[in-house]
Amino acid sequence: AQSVAQPEDQVNVAEGNPLTVKCTYSVSGNPYLFWYVQYPNRGLQFLLKYITGDNLVKGSYGFEAEFNKSQTSFHLKKPSALVSDSALYFCAVRDTNAGKSTFGDGTTLTVKP
Amino acid sequence: DAGVIQSPRHEVTEMGQEVTLRCKPISGHDYLFWYRQTMMRGLELLIYFNNNVPIDDSGMPEDRFSAKMPNASFSTLKIQPSEPRDSAVYFCASSSRDRGYTGELFFGEGSRLTVL
Repeated sequence: AQSVAQPEDQVNVAEGNPLTVKCTYSVSGNPYLFWYVQYPNRGLQFLLKYITGDNLVKGSYGFEAEFNKSQTSFHLKKPSALVSDSALYFCAVRDTNAGKSTFGDGTTLTVKP
Repeated sequence: DAGVIQSPRHEVTEMGQEVTLRCKPISGHDYLFWYRQTMMRGLELLIYFNNNVPIDDSGMPEDRFSAKMPNASFSTLKIQPSEPRDSAVYFCASSSRDRGYTGELFFGEGSRLTVL
């Protein structure tokens, strides 16, 4: 079985400040982890993934995420938030042998000027 | 590549009518997924295909829903008869497990369905 938890429904940050969107996961085997972003009235867009190797992965739009195996976490981060980063963010996990990914409930990020 | 293409983008219909949503996945992708998104239930996986074969349809809400993938470049999701509670945004996504990909999903822009 695989599951994902995004403990915060909403994250608010000021423009220029660092941001973190939290994600924890549970899988029976080795995880593949993903972050997606959804802007209003659009489909989800792939941001970044962790497969293996370096625990810090970099993705689109200056986002990065840190894989922490002991804490089963994969938090999304950005050093300096932009107003245009405001969107709905989804974390997803897939066991390496699974056919489908399991998505979290999403976190709405609001960056204020 | 053109990305995942869905049609129609918007559909308004009356209760009891048949609705057909269409999806063209990214060429070369061997997985295709249908999702439904609502405010109340969030993002739900309805069904997914691998190499045109349905693998898991446990998310299909009831017999009124059916999905087909007659070939690698086309899939449909049909609702017959439609009900107001089917109102949602329906997403199609495709992915690949080869050529360097590891199953990240590429989503279409969605079909917004309103059943009156």
